[in-house]
Amino acid sequence: KAGVTQTPRYLIKTRGQQVTLSCSPISGHRSVSWYQQTPGQGLQFLFEYFSETQRNKGNFPGRFSGRQFSNSRSEMNVSTLELGDSALYLCASSGRASADTQYFGPGTRLTVL
Amino acid sequence: AQRVTQPEKLLSVFKGAPVELKCNYSYSGSPELFWYVQYSRQRLQLLLRHISRESIKGFTADLNKGETSFHLKKPFAQEEDSAMYYCAPFGGGTGNQFYFGTGTSLTVIP
Repeated sequence: KAGVTQTPRYLIKTRGQQVTLSCSPISGHRSVSWYQQTPGQGLQFLFEYFSETQRNKGNFPGRFSGRQFSNSRSEMNVSTLELGDSALYLCASSGRASADTQYFGPGTRLTVL
Repeated sequence: AQRVTQPEKLLSVFKGAPVELKCNYSYSGSPELFWYVQYSRQRLQLLLRHISRESIKGFTADLNKGETSFHLKKPFAQEEDSAMYYCAPFGGGTGNQFYFGTGTSLTVIP
């Protein structure tokens, strides 16, 4: 099976812009979770989607949003970018339950200038 | 607030020595506990989960509910064990999400 893929792998944006990141889960997986990884805070949960519905949400401002399509592919959007949004954004897919093993993608490295 | 603590950011051991990576959590209820690992230039991946009680690559982890700890152990470290290790409780008050610790970078010295 092909693994989780994320596009693009690298992004450079400026403050105030918005950005959309994409994640394609492992075939057959219906749950997609997003995480922000920074050196200071480590991995922080953003949200989880299952069957096109947001099932869980972390403690991030409303500028961070996501959606999931009928083929389980997911997108994450960050509006009005801030310097502090610079991070590695990881996507993980799992079969059904939130506690199933998470299979991670390679991440998208976002740099905000 | 739910918390998971990995007190050592960096840990170095010699090849063949025992290794223990500490993880303490504070949650209401009984979370399920996982360890994830990230080797150099590889993706984050599951190492083991408590419920399966498996030993993966020689690693084991014992859940101590009294001390709310889930330390990862291996009796004889190998060079290929050098990686970043994350403790990750799930559920039991975490709101059905994973809370990853900040990670411990393990270096095994040849």
